[in-house]
Amino acid sequence: EDQVTQSPEALRLQEGESSSLNCSYTVSGLRGLFWYRQDPGKGPEFLFTLYSAGEEKEKERLKATLTKKESFLHITAPKPEDSATYLCAVQAGGSQGNLIFGKGTKLSVKP
Amino acid sequence: NAGVTQTPKFQVLKTGQSMTLQCAQDMNHNSMYWYRQDPGMGLRLIYYSASEGTTDKGEVPNGYNVSRLNKREFSLRLESAAPSQTSVYFCASSGQVYQPQHFGDGTRLSIL
Repeated sequence: EDQVTQSPEALRLQEGESSSLNCSYTVSGLRGLFWYRQDPGKGPEFLFTLYSAGEEKEKERLKATLTKKESFLHITAPKPEDSATYLCAVQAGGSQGNLIFGKGTKLSVKP
Repeated sequence: NAGVTQTPKFQVLKTGQSMTLQCAQDMNHNSMYWYRQDPGMGLRLIYYSASEGTTDKGEVPNGYNVSRLNKREFSLRLESAAPSQTSVYFCASSGQVYQPQHFGDGTRLSIL
């Protein structure tokens, strides 16, 4: 069964304190791994797609990496505006593009 | 750019009532999706439409029906609402089935 597990469930950081969020997955034939950001009362906002092990993507203070079993979202010197829930999702081959989501990591960055 | 627009934003229903959630996208995307999000659970796929004229069941289709009205619009219907269908419903679209999905801001539905 295709499955996505995110850890930790919640993370509190001080402004400027770098850390990483983990997304472990089991999927039959990975087509893509996606990271989204979700603010309260809003829909998920697309951040990155990773397709193969070893791939990395960066955007401002965020960097996503991928291995054969997991992905990390590294947050460097976070700011309070980075506070949000970060969602990881995978697409399996033959899935018609359907996303399987993890439960998310709620990040709080205090000034 | 509006992206994906969902209406209504909030709705309260009584058990047994019916309603249709509307979704429209202005990105000329081929594929559209309906998800529900419940506390403590990840987003779960209800139905999807890989292209205009096709619809298929997702992980949790029971109690729902969909219509792909045209390329832009994809509606979700609850024929006889149940309290278990209280949730936040998100519509998403993508250019093709394996491309990133872009989400609307959701419909918050409460069923009493």
